[in-house]
Amino acid sequence: EVQLQQSGAELGKPGTSVKLSCKVSGYNIRNTYMHWVNQRPGKGLEWIGRIDPANGNTIYAEKFKSKATLTADTSSNTAYMQLSQLKSDDTAIYFCAMRGGLDYWGQGVMVTVSS
Amino acid sequence: DVLMTQTPVSLPVSLGGQVSISCRSSQSLVHSDGNTYLHWYLQKPGQSPQLLIYRVSNRFSGVPDRFSGSGSGTDFTLKISRVEPEDLGVYYCLQSTHFPLTFGSGTKLEIK
Repeated sequence: EVQLQQSGAELGKPGTSVKLSCKVSGYNIRNTYMHWVNQRPGKGLEWIGRIDPANGNTIYAEKFKSKATLTADTSSNTAYMQLSQLKSDDTAIYFCAMRGGLDYWGQGVMVTVSS
Repeated sequence: DVLMTQTPVSLPVSLGGQVSISCRSSQSLVHSDGNTYLHWYLQKPGQSPQLLIYRVSNRFSGVPDRFSGSGSGTDFTLKISRVEPEDLGVYYCLQSTHFPLTFGSGTKLEIK
């Protein structure tokens, strides 16, 4: 059974960074793309970017190019996303997802930015 | 960016009834490899989105045949027949033909 287990909720101060993790079981992440998606409170879904864990290649949505950094560790089958220079409008739930149709999703992690 | 226009925003339905959700893209979703990467998801309250239909018309593993997808080019439809209580939530379409990937704004299926 494929499972994506995300790290716990984060509370960050404006201007700081947080690093989220997404550990995959039941599937080798070398064989897929790992995507990240956010959902602001009460809003829809927004694609942030994806990484190919086999070679580290990344593609980002333009608005997240200076906000998010995607990495992956194939030895631990885990994907990561660092969010930098946090602002209040980064407050959202962040999901990891994998495979071509975003077949499988993590449970999501709430990131709250507040001083 | 490809704009995904999803209608309606809200869809009241009677249990056992049938509904359709439309998703239109601002440009063709036919990839250079010949495939059309248009997918449908259901997000139940407090949960992650779950894949229902991939590449226009293929039901994902475990998805009941009450769900069906159709369409081509820029115009796509999700149909749900014999609506059950577990079908309630927000439905999204997603295109992954072009970067950046873009979602529709969602359709909330609720009891009439």
